[in-house]
Amino acid sequence: GAGVSQTPSNKVTEKGKYVELRCDPISGHTALYWYRQSLGQGPEFLIYFQGTGAADDSGLPNDRFFAVRPEGSVSTLKIQRTERGDSAVYLCASSPGRGTSKFFGPGTRLTVL
Amino acid sequence: QKEVEQDPGPLSVPEGAIVSLNCTYSNSAFQYFMWYRQYSRKGPELLMYTYSSGNKEDGRFTAQVDKSSKYISLFIRDSQPSDSATYLCAMSVKDTGNQFYFGTGTSLTVIP
Repeated sequence: GAGVSQTPSNKVTEKGKYVELRCDPISGHTALYWYRQSLGQGPEFLIYFQGTGAADDSGLPNDRFFAVRPEGSVSTLKIQRTERGDSAVYLCASSPGRGTSKFFGPGTRLTVL
Repeated sequence: QKEVEQDPGPLSVPEGAIVSLNCTYSNSAFQYFMWYRQYSRKGPELLMYTYSSGNKEDGRFTAQVDKSSKYISLFIRDSQPSDSATYLCAMSVKDTGNQFYFGTGTSLTVIP
């Protein structure tokens, strides 16, 4: 596709459950980012991939959060033992390379009951 | 103190007005400055991308960066109802990292 796509668009889960959020970046973009946006706030950085490796995971809030990008394209953000505070919109972005601007997907709205 | 400060508004203007949106920041290492537009329940869409100080114009949009004051602005001329959205400023450090630091966003409504 022409842009970044994310699935699912909405995810409702119960406290304590495991969730996976998927991101398909723009074809050819080597850099991929995950951000989290809480209501009324700007996006907050979670993790950055350059190719297959996580170049910067300093934004992950704790060890319940993990992300992979095994083939350097699609990425999955995984959240274990979800908590109500994890409820937010999870945004994925991609860019052609380091330091250039990012193109965001529509986000996955996660609600933890 | 947040690294990037942005007045959340809301801001309401009549159609055709000039809109001024602003952000301040504290990290003097920021070199790249962006403005994103975000419609309700959508991802941020890049509007303007500037490097270091100066002005950049694109159609009805003008971005200004004043690094000496740590202040950036976005001006929208001849505002349209379709400009109604949340506007997010974002900035990043040259070469030393790739995370963007975002403001909280300013909600803008252009009234027909």
